[in-house]
Amino acid sequence: GENVEQHPSTLSVQEGDSAVIKCTYSDSASNYFPWYKQELGKRPQLIIDIRSNVGEKKDQRIAVTLNKTAKHFSLHITETQPEDSAVYFCAASMALPARQLTFGSGTQLTVLP
Amino acid sequence: NAGVTQTPKFQVLKTGQSMTLQCAQDMNHNSMYWYRQDPGMGLRLIYYSASEGTTDKGEVPNGYNVSRLNKREFSLRLESAAPSQTSVYFCASRPLAGGSSYNEQFFGPGTRLTVL
Repeated sequence: GENVEQHPSTLSVQEGDSAVIKCTYSDSASNYFPWYKQELGKRPQLIIDIRSNVGEKKDQRIAVTLNKTAKHFSLHITETQPEDSAVYFCAASMALPARQLTFGSGTQLTVLP
Repeated sequence: NAGVTQTPKFQVLKTGQSMTLQCAQDMNHNSMYWYRQDPGMGLRLIYYSASEGTTDKGEVPNGYNVSRLNKREFSLRLESAAPSQTSVYFCASRPLAGGSSYNEQFFGPGTRLTVL
C-alpha cells in the first residue's frame, strides 16, 4: 500500500518568516495530494490540494509544489502569522476505489511572535 | 446544513465492553470514511464506504466493524474494546464527483475514546 513520510515533525519560525514542510510518497499511482490543518482539539480542515497533472498551486500565502518523478511534494507558507500555528498533515491518494487518503505523521508548526 | 456530525463526543469504556460510534452527513455525499488518530501517527484509515451498500477495510481494520446504514449514516462498532483502541476517531465524507471540491474529504468533529 501507499506510504507517506512527512518532515519535520516540529517546526518553529519567527512571525513573518516562511515555513516549508516536505512529504514523500511511495506509490506512483497516487495522483491527488491534499494538505490539512488541524488546530488543537479540532477536526482536520483542507487548506490546499494538488493533482498530479499540476506542478505547483498557490492560494494567497500558501503554495504546494509536486515533483512526480521524485515522488515528493511540499507545503510553503509565506509571511507566517501566529494563527498559522497548528499541526499540518500531508496525504496522498489514488482515484480508486474511493479516493481513500494515506496521511503523513504531521508537523507541529509554531509561529513565534 | 450541519455537515458531518459524530456522536458521542467523548466515551470511556472498560476493556471488553462494546459500543457503536455514529456518523451522519447531510451533504448528499457518496463516500464515507472512518479514521483513528493517535499521537505522532497522523490519521489512519480503519474502514471506508465508497457508496451506499459497500464497505471495505482500510489500513487498520482489526477489532472494528462498520455499517453503512443508508447514504447519510456510517457507523463504527467496537465489539470488545481494548486499551489499544484508545484514540480519537474521525468520520469523513466526500462527494461523488463534480465541482471544485469533489476530491475533498470533509471531517466530523471527532469522538475521543478511552478504554481502561
